Amino acid sequence: AQTVTQSQPEMSVQEAETVTLSCTYDTSESNYYLFWYKQPPSRQMILVIRQEAYKQQNATENRFSVNFQKAAKSFSLKISDSQLGDTAMYFCAFMTDTNAGKSTFGDGTTLTVKP
Amino acid sequence: DVKVTQSSRYLVKRTGEKVFLECVQDMDHENMFWYRQDPGLGLRLIYFSYDVKMKEKGDIPEGYSVSREKKERFSLILESASTNQTSMYLCASSLPGTSAGELFFGEGSRLTVL
Repeated sequence: AQTVTQSQPEMSVQEAETVTLSCTYDTSESNYYLFWYKQPPSRQMILVIRQEAYKQQNATENRFSVNFQKAAKSFSLKISDSQLGDTAMYFCAFMTDTNAGKSTFGDGTTLTVKP
Repeated sequence: DVKVTQSSRYLVKRTGEKVFLECVQDMDHENMFWYRQDPGLGLRLIYFSYDVKMKEKGDIPEGYSVSREKKERFSLILESASTNQTSMYLCASSLPGTSAGELFFGEGSRLTVL
């Protein structure tokens, strides 16, 4: 079975600082895809960043970047220069070629950015 | 803008009632999904569909059924609602295959069963 573990239920960070959210996963597949989704309070969930397992280079989207450690099965999200609008629940998700279209989600991390 | 619309943001139903949750997407996506979101449990897949009139069970299908008569619409049905089905329900859609993979979500339907 494929699992995704987010070990930090809640985190907080001061505005303008950097925070890292952790995610580990377990799979026997060789090709897969990893995602971070953001769910702001009372708003719809949106994709923040994605990483293909066959790519060695870590994905980056503006202030958001990942640290993908394939051997360790780790996929952390770094948010630089945190903004109040980053306050949200963040979900790590995982999808394989053999399970195409179906994503497995972690339990989520609630991030609060403090002014 | 791409859009996934869930018909009801908030519903309150009584035990034993039949409940319909509707989801419509305007992106011509083949894949559609219903997830359930509960605190501390993340998102759990109830049912999904890869095409019209096609459906497959997810991880927690018990007590639910679905209908997909048109490509853009995917309905979740609770035949006889129970209190343990009180939850947030999220509909999502995506393009086929993993090359895309990104899920587009609706705003969610928060169901309370009394």
